[in-house]
Amino acid sequence: GEDVEQSLFLSVREGDSSVINCTYTDSSSTYLYWYKQEPGAGLQLLTYIFSNMDMKQDQRLTVLLNKKDKHLSLRIADTQTGDSAIYFCAEIPNTGFQKLVFGTGTRLLVSP
Amino acid sequence: NAGVTQTPKFRILKIGQSMTLQCTQDMNHNYMYWYRQDPGMGLKLIYYSVGAGITDKGEVPNGYNVSRSTTEDFPLRLELAAPSQTSVYFCASSYSGGSGGPLNEQFFGPGTRLTVL
Repeated sequence: GEDVEQSLFLSVREGDSSVINCTYTDSSSTYLYWYKQEPGAGLQLLTYIFSNMDMKQDQRLTVLLNKKDKHLSLRIADTQTGDSAIYFCAEIPNTGFQKLVFGTGTRLLVSP
Repeated sequence: NAGVTQTPKFRILKIGQSMTLQCTQDMNHNYMYWYRQDPGMGLKLIYYSVGAGITDKGEVPNGYNVSRSTTEDFPLRLELAAPSQTSVYFCASSYSGGSGGPLNEQFFGPGTRLTVL
């Protein structure tokens, strides 16, 4: 099947680190993505990682990829209240057409 | 650039009514997509288009139709609305549909919240 799995909810305090996890399905996916959805808005690409990389760092964001376990994580350092949103991981399975398959989304709540 | 715009923002329909959700992008993207987002679920692809005049079904196309007469516009039509179509609908576009990566970043509209009673 093509189910990308994420935990539904994460609550952290401002200043802590947040780690959002994702298990994807297709080991041949070339790119894996993290999208952010703020309340009442559409999704916005946050970062992506190419499948031949183990880690990618982009300011406060760190993406870790474990291809063997098909596990992707997003770490947000020094989490701020503005980081409160729903975070979706997504993959493009090797099915011929570039179709993004999204996870169920993780709602991150950052409290002061 | 306005990016991807969608109208209306909200709509309530009665069962059996029809409506068209509008989507326009001004980035000259050739790929466009319609998704629906149900509570606690990820986005599901309804239809997509790889260019003007070309459309194809996604995962959940039943009850919907699309057309793509221009590069900019990709309307989604609901012919006989049903309560199961209550959802938030997102339109997206991307430059190309290759193997992935930054060129394939999908840009999303703000969504249309549809309720069918």
